[in-house]
Amino acid sequence: AQTVTQSQPEMSVQEAETVTLSCTYDTSESNYYLFWYKQPPSRQMILVIRQEAYKQQNATENRFSVNFQKAAKSFSLKISDSQLGDTAMYFCAFMKHPQGGSEKLVFGKGTKLTVNP
Amino acid sequence: ETGVTQTPRHLVMGMTNKKSLKCEQHLGHNAMYWYKQSAKKPLELMFVYSLEERVENNSVPSRFSPECPNSSHLFLHLHTLQPEDSALYLCASSQDQGFVNEQFFGPGTRLTVL
Repeated sequence: AQTVTQSQPEMSVQEAETVTLSCTYDTSESNYYLFWYKQPPSRQMILVIRQEAYKQQNATENRFSVNFQKAAKSFSLKISDSQLGDTAMYFCAFMKHPQGGSEKLVFGKGTKLTVNP
Repeated sequence: ETGVTQTPRHLVMGMTNKKSLKCEQHLGHNAMYWYKQSAKKPLELMFVYSLEERVENNSVPSRFSPECPNSSHLFLHLHTLQPEDSALYLCASSQDQGFVNEQFFGPGTRLTVL
C-alpha cells in the first residue's frame, strides 16, 4: 500500500518570502502521479500542481514549483513570493497509474501554512 | 451554479437520526467520490462511482450508504452514526474514473454526531 507523509503539521512564512513544504511517499510502483492540493479556510480544495513520475522535469505553475526526487521518493512544494491568499492547508497526494481500476488518491495529513503580513 | 456543490454545509445529528448528504456537480463529469476528512488524519476515500455504478467501497461501515441516481448527483445516507463519525465529508468529481483527471472538490459538509 502507498503512504504519503507530510512531516510539517504547521508552517508560517512572511509575505513575499519563499517557503518549502515537504512530502515523502512510499510505493513500489514505477508509474504514478503526485499532486499538491490547497484547502483555504472554509473554502473548497483545489489542485495546485501535479507531477508525472515519468517526467524528470519539475512541474511549475506560476509561483508554485515542485522538487521531485524520484529516487528519494520526495516531492516538495515551493511557494515563491508568498501572498496572504496562500494561507491554507496543503495536502500532498499520490495516485498510481490507473490500469482499468479505481483512480484512488492517497493523501498526506496536510501542512497548515500561514502567511503573515 | 458551477463546480461541485454540497448541502447541507453543516449538520448536527443524534446517533439515532437518519439524514442524507447531497452532492451535485455541474461539470459534466462521469466519476464522483465521497471522502472523509477528520482532524489530524489524511483524507480517507469512502466510495467511488463511475457512470452511476459503485466501483469502490473502501471498507466503509454499513451505517454509511451511498446513492448515485445519475452522473450529476451523489448522496450519502447516514443512520445510526457514532460520535467518531463527526468529520468534514467531501464530495469530488472527475471527468472519468480510471484516468488521471483532476478531481474537483465540493466545499464539504461539516457533520457533528452527538
